[in-house]
Amino acid sequence: NAGVTQTPKFQVLKTGQSMTLQCAQDMNHNSMYWYRQDPGMGLRLIYYSASEGTTDKGEVPNGYNVSRLNKREFSLRLESAAPSQTSVYFCASGGDTDTQYFGPGTRLTVL
Amino acid sequence: GEDVEQSLFLSVREGDSSVINCTYTDSSSTYLYWYKQEPGAGLQLLTYIFSNMDMKQDQRLTVLLNKKDKHLSLRIADTQTGDSAIYFCAESYSSARQLTFGSGTQLTVLP
Repeated sequence: NAGVTQTPKFQVLKTGQSMTLQCAQDMNHNSMYWYRQDPGMGLRLIYYSASEGTTDKGEVPNGYNVSRLNKREFSLRLESAAPSQTSVYFCASGGDTDTQYFGPGTRLTVL
Repeated sequence: GEDVEQSLFLSVREGDSSVINCTYTDSSSTYLYWYKQEPGAGLQLLTYIFSNMDMKQDQRLTVLLNKKDKHLSLRIADTQTGDSAIYFCAESYSSARQLTFGSGTQLTVLP
């Protein structure tokens, strides 16, 4: 099992460009999550999906959209990137308990 | 709202025990977690404790939970240089299976 995979690993964007971060899990989990990690601030939840077909806002959703394409895949889209969105983005998935399993992260720089 | 706090830094000598502390605010948390993050990597689940337990031991790791004081600790026995990493405390809350993370404690193991 690969667990949770994310692509790309690194990305550099110019202000105003758009991009989609991809996430997939092979653990048959219902819940999937997108977080951002900034120095000294821990992880903050952007969006989550409790099950296929549903998505909800987390703590910091502004500037992002998500799509739960199917049970395996959950993508995060930046429509018009801003320097404040420079961060490390983590996808996670969770099953019937509250435990979450994380991907390796995408390091995004917006110039 | 929910809040999880940790001290930012801890240094120990190789072979000593490390104790990383965490306080949380949500008394209805079901599970409390410890995650480890090595440089450039995602978060790795180390261990977790159910809220009706006081202690959990797993090889070199001991988790202590004081529900009255809302205090969680992680003790690493015989700390090694490979234990150098950032350690995150997290609590679960709500039926949406969300986690709230602390800001992380940077553990440095000195030779």
